[in-house]
Amino acid sequence: ETGVTQSPTHLIKTRGQQVTLRCSSQSGHNTVSWYQQALGQGPQFIFQYYREEENGRGNFPPRFSGLQFPNYSSELNVNALELDDSALYLCASSTGDRWDEQYFGPGTRLTVT
Amino acid sequence: AQKITQTQPGMFVQEKEAVTLDCTYDTSDPSYGLFWYKQPSSGEMIFLIYQGSYDQQNATEGRYSLNFQKARKSANLVISASQLGDSAMYFCAMKGVSSYKLIFGSGTRLLVRP
Repeated sequence: ETGVTQSPTHLIKTRGQQVTLRCSSQSGHNTVSWYQQALGQGPQFIFQYYREEENGRGNFPPRFSGLQFPNYSSELNVNALELDDSALYLCASSTGDRWDEQYFGPGTRLTVT
Repeated sequence: AQKITQTQPGMFVQEKEAVTLDCTYDTSDPSYGLFWYKQPSSGEMIFLIYQGSYDQQNATEGRYSLNFQKARKSANLVISASQLGDSAMYFCAMKGVSSYKLIFGSGTRLLVRP
């Protein structure tokens, strides 16, 4: 069973630039959620995709967008990067069952300078 | 609105002893799930244990058990026989029946002393 993978591991961008983060779901999972974790805080929900459709969104501006592909892998895109976007971005996959645990990837550490 | 509160920013425990990490929650959902995750310094969130709001018994998974007190809205994690590898951040999280997202607390950093 292949776990959740994310790429890249680390990324440094300049304010105003755009970034794409990638996530590969665990085998058999059709739901992907993205979270932002600022230093010293708990993860904050960005959005969730279920079978290629956005299934829900947290309190993040439209410059945070995403995609889910037919193989259930996913991308998180952030436009017009701001300094406060510096964080660990976590991807989690699950089966879609409401009470099923979410399996997290190792995260992408984004630094915006 | 849903909220998770973890009031212990940091905890110490001696190796082989038990430790309790506190978690209280607030929700208006009639049905909800409570989760605990471990986050080592590597960053990956590792699922530990789950408790459903209608489960009659407290959940247990190996050395982890969840002390669920519904009337007090608390879901404390108990780690028995602590090991050095248990040193990490621990997050309590919940998901309500009306939502699809996990709400996390601010976490507790646990340090196991040899």
